[in-house]
Amino acid sequence: NAGVTQTPKFQVLKTGQSMTLQCAQDMNHNSMYWYRQDPGMGLRLIYYSASEGTTDKGEVPNGYNVSRLNKREFSLRLESAAPSQTSVYFCASSDGAGSSGNTIYFGEGSWLTVV
Amino acid sequence: GENVEQHPSTLSVQEGDSAVIKCTYSDSASNYFPWYKQELGKGPQLIIDIRSNVGEKKDQRIAVTLNKTAKHFSLHITETQPEDSAVYFCAAPGGGEYSGAGSYQLTFGKGTKLSVIP
Repeated sequence: NAGVTQTPKFQVLKTGQSMTLQCAQDMNHNSMYWYRQDPGMGLRLIYYSASEGTTDKGEVPNGYNVSRLNKREFSLRLESAAPSQTSVYFCASSDGAGSSGNTIYFGEGSWLTVV
Repeated sequence: GENVEQHPSTLSVQEGDSAVIKCTYSDSASNYFPWYKQELGKGPQLIIDIRSNVGEKKDQRIAVTLNKTAKHFSLHITETQPEDSAVYFCAAPGGGEYSGAGSYQLTFGKGTKLSVIP
């Protein structure tokens, strides 16, 4: 019962370095998401992919890029990391739109620190 | 876009007491309201949801109520136990103040940290 698996779980980056967060789901879901969670800010959507082959910006897309590699995998790339990107990142998936009542399943999170 | 406000941000209760968390939303067209629970070091998990055609839904010790006129919905946890200690998020349909995601997405509240004191 893997569900949503994201790697790495912890990462420390220096300012200006790049990295990619990997995410895979085994529930055959159409939609996938990347959120970030900061203290007092709740969950904010970075990018989402409604279906394989499509990606769209969310609330806080600046400084990030995404790739929907196939139906299972959705990666998040930081091209030039900044301290403001220090956060906990969650990948998630759902069968259809979360707003229509489809349950969103979250991974366990990736703790990223940019120094 | 949708704007979701959640209160309180922290809540401490004695074991066995009840806990209530309230959320308000701005879009009167919203019709689906889930609640997620996030345990320490884990991702959020759906615990209960309600649609706009009902006013209340119960699942054992948890219940959600919806007041569409006032545009608010609440999570009620009765007979609280230490394992209820977690961060709880409400959500409503809509992409928030940004326009990118439109009505496809959920907007989450900022969360309530519930501590149940044994």
